[in-house]
Amino acid sequence: EVQLVESGGGLVQPGGSLRLSCAASGFTFSRYWMHWVRQVPGKGLVWVSRINNDESRTNYADSVKGRFTISRDNANNTLYLQMNSLRAEDTAVYYCVRGNYGSGTYYYYYYMDVWGKGTTVTVSS
Amino acid sequence: DIQMTQSPSSLSASVGDRVTITCRASQIIDISLNWYQQKPGKAPKLLIYAASSLQSGVPSRFSGSGSGTDFSLTIASLQPEDFATYYCQQSFNIPRTFGQGTKLEI
Repeated sequence: EVQLVESGGGLVQPGGSLRLSCAASGFTFSRYWMHWVRQVPGKGLVWVSRINNDESRTNYADSVKGRFTISRDNANNTLYLQMNSLRAEDTAVYYCVRGNYGSGTYYYYYYMDVWGKGTTVTVSS
Repeated sequence: DIQMTQSPSSLSASVGDRVTITCRASQIIDISLNWYQQKPGKAPKLLIYAASSLQSGVPSRFSGSGSGTDFSLTIASLQPEDFATYYCQQSFNIPRTFGQGTKLEI
């Protein structure tokens, strides 16, 4: 079964740090781009970051750039999100998501096809 | 950033109804548009990718259409399990952006 399981969430004070992990199973992890997406309870989905399959390319939302770092360990099928200088507005459920793609004659298309159940991060004093 | 605008934000419907949700992008995104369904307390689930391709295992009553800037998700005959929140998302460029969601209620 294809599965993503997040861990590492919790309560942290403003300015603190937290590292999220995502354990992948049931597929060849090293072949896929991976994303983090977050959601404030009751609100919409917000893309946070992505990393390519060999860790040579990363992208971040402006709101987390310089504070968050995405990384991966392909040998252990694990995705990470190191979150530093946390703010109250970082409070959310964080989802680990597999990126996938397909191609037509002249184009590629991309989508997020496997989602973990999420881990909750609360930033509060 | 590409802004994604869904309408309506909420929708009341009955079992058996045909419903359509629309999504507009702030710039041309070709067919780089995906639809997700989310139920309370659960992770989102991919329904449609590349504007009109049905994800494996998704019932055929779901369909997507559109290209350029205007897209739609149609549910042909609502079932009880379809009451949820639906999001569109562009994958044309970074940052990936989602619509604000459409809550489909009984």
